[in-house]
Amino acid sequence: QQQVKQSPQSLIVQKGGISIINCAYENTAFDYFPWYQQFPGKGPALLIAIRPDVSEKKEGRFTISFNKSAKQFSLHIMDSQPGDSATYFCAAVGGSYIPTFGRGTSLIVHP
Amino acid sequence: ETGVTQSPTHLIKTRGQQVTLRCSSQSGHNTVSWYQQALGQGPQFIFQYYREEENGRGNFPPRFSGLQFPNYSSELNVNALELDDSALYLCASTTPRGTGELFFGEGSRLTVL
Repeated sequence: QQQVKQSPQSLIVQKGGISIINCAYENTAFDYFPWYQQFPGKGPALLIAIRPDVSEKKEGRFTISFNKSAKQFSLHIMDSQPGDSATYFCAAVGGSYIPTFGRGTSLIVHP
Repeated sequence: ETGVTQSPTHLIKTRGQQVTLRCSSQSGHNTVSWYQQALGQGPQFIFQYYREEENGRGNFPPRFSGLQFPNYSSELNVNALELDDSALYLCASTTPRGTGELFFGEGSRLTVL
């Protein structure tokens, strides 16, 4: 059972464009929603995270939008750069502190 | 501050063999977890160790086992390797407060032939 559904599987954006990745979860016990960024040959690294008491969190060019009633959250990358090309994973964490990951989105930003 | 380190980085085994992967956690982190990442997939939780005891396990068979040592380093052992065990194995450590943020190593790429 896939508890966190992520889309799209792959995304191609032109430099300067907006990249949007969406995730949906089922378990209402989740209370922490991180996004991880993974470059080829590297382990995932935390990019940005949000808790359900706020609807949006922004850090530089990266923004998480959170819709608690719809059980959905998304990552927006503004002014996308070629250096942003990576695989992005959303995750959901509950009381066990063990994240459940989405399947990932491969982002390619063309120069 | 030293990050999470894993060894070996790459290895090739044949079906039926056994493998041991090693992980040193980030300084000050007492909880270590292991993940399996198949090609094109997200990390799948294998198990977690805290104070040298397993305190959480994902949907993996008993031939996946682990250890945590007093210095918080850890091992992942896989017996009777199968072709489907080919994957990137990631070790991650977390802070004692356990906020959910994971600090990953670069992984051990296992190929089973």
